Amino acid sequence: GENVEQHPSTLSVQEGDSAVIKCTYSDSASNYFPWYKQELGKRPQLIIDIRSNVGEKKDQRIAVTLNKTAKHFSLHITETQPEDSAVYFCAANTGGFKTIFGAGTRLFVKA
Amino acid sequence: NAGVTQTPKFRVLKTGQSMTLLCAQDMNHEYMYWYRQDPGMGLRLIHYSVGEGTTAKGEVPDGYNVSRLKKQNFLLGLESAAPSQTSVYFCASSYSNFAQGDLYGYTFGSGTRLTVV
Repeated sequence: GENVEQHPSTLSVQEGDSAVIKCTYSDSASNYFPWYKQELGKRPQLIIDIRSNVGEKKDQRIAVTLNKTAKHFSLHITETQPEDSAVYFCAANTGGFKTIFGAGTRLFVKA
Repeated sequence: NAGVTQTPKFRVLKTGQSMTLLCAQDMNHEYMYWYRQDPGMGLRLIHYSVGEGTTAKGEVPDGYNVSRLKKQNFLLGLESAAPSQTSVYFCASSYSNFAQGDLYGYTFGSGTRLTVV
C-alpha cells in the first residue's frame, strides 16, 4: 500500500548548522507534499509545502526539494536555532482524499 | 477565529466504556479528518469526511465510528474502549478541493490525550 518513509528518526545538530530530513514515497500518483512541525505537547503545524509541478521551494531558512523521478523529497533548515527543536513530519497526498505521514524526525538543536 | 477546537483535552476511560470526541472548525472547510498519534508511528488516519453528511474509513477505522451532521463538526466515537486505543487523537480540517486538484495542508486541533485502563 501507500507508504512514506522518513529518515533519520533523530537528528542532533549544533546551533547555526544545517539540518536535512529526507522522505521517500511509494505512490507515483502523489502530487502534494506538506511538512509539519510539532513542538512538544502541541499540535502539528504546517511549515512549508510543495506541489508536484515544482522542484524546489524556499521560505526564509526553510527549503523543500522534490525529485519525482526518484520519489523523494527533503526538508532543509539552514542556520538552525534552538527554537527549531521539534518533531518534523513529512507527508504525501496520494491524489485522493488521504494524506500519508512519515513516522517523524526528532530534531535537537544544541546551543 | 478559533480554527480547529477539540474537546476534551484529556480523558481516562475504563476498558469497555464509550465516549465521544468533538471537533469543531470555524474556517468553513469541507474536509475533516481524525488521526491518532502513537510514539514512533507518526499520524494514522482513522476516518475522514469530504462534506456534511459523508464519512469514510481511513487506515485504522476498527473500533471507531464518526458522524458529520453539521459542516463545522466532526465527532469521533469509541464504542467499547480498549487499552490499544490509548493514544493522542488529532482532528484536522482542510481547504483542499480534490476534484479541482487544489491541495492545501491541514489545520490541526490541539489534540485529545486518551488513556484506557
